[in-house]
Amino acid sequence: NAGVTQTPKFRVLKTGQSMTLLCAQDMNHEYMYWYRQDPGMGLRLIHYSVGEGTTAKGEVPDGYNVSRLKKQNFLLGLESAAPSQTSVYFCASSLLGTNPHFGAGTRLSVL
Amino acid sequence: GESVGLHLPTLSVQEGDNSIINCAYSNSASDYFIWYKQESGKGPQFIIDIRSNMDKRQGQRVTVLLNKTVKHLSLQIAATQPGDSAVYFCAENPPFRSNYQLIWGAGTKLIIKP
Repeated sequence: NAGVTQTPKFRVLKTGQSMTLLCAQDMNHEYMYWYRQDPGMGLRLIHYSVGEGTTAKGEVPDGYNVSRLKKQNFLLGLESAAPSQTSVYFCASSLLGTNPHFGAGTRLSVL
Repeated sequence: GESVGLHLPTLSVQEGDNSIINCAYSNSASDYFIWYKQESGKGPQFIIDIRSNMDKRQGQRVTVLLNKTVKHLSLQIAATQPGDSAVYFCAENPPFRSNYQLIWGAGTKLIIKP
């Protein structure tokens, strides 16, 4: 039982490049979330999903897109990366919204 | 529990002593609160949660206290161990956000002195 798995673990991008972060969970959870974490700050919600085929905006959605085509996967896309998107990205999943389980994170640097 | 900036509050505790980590939350109508632990280089890990209809909840070596009058949440860790060194985050579920879009605090760094 792997829980929440994020790939890749590290990535360096140049400004303007695009990439997709993959999150996979094997707990049959309905809710999935993408957060970003910046130094000295709490987690900020980018986008979330309450079920397969649904997505919604969180606090800081600009510059990101998401898709939830399969219940177990939640993808986060950056169409044109900017240095302000340098951060650690965490995916989380939850059965009903409480007690989310987090992945190990993806460290992204945009140069 | 709102983000407060770049410098994390730090709490230093002697190994074996009890630790108390405090959190001020922002919305008096929040109905769900949660504590997470984050070790360096890892994702946050669930510790304990509490609903607003409770004042206290206990887990293994941890207790969460909720004071709704002053919008204050605390996490007590008994007999602190070296493995408790981490950053601790509180989060709240405010009524103006649906689907458990939690608001997270900036975190408190717990340092264990040998």
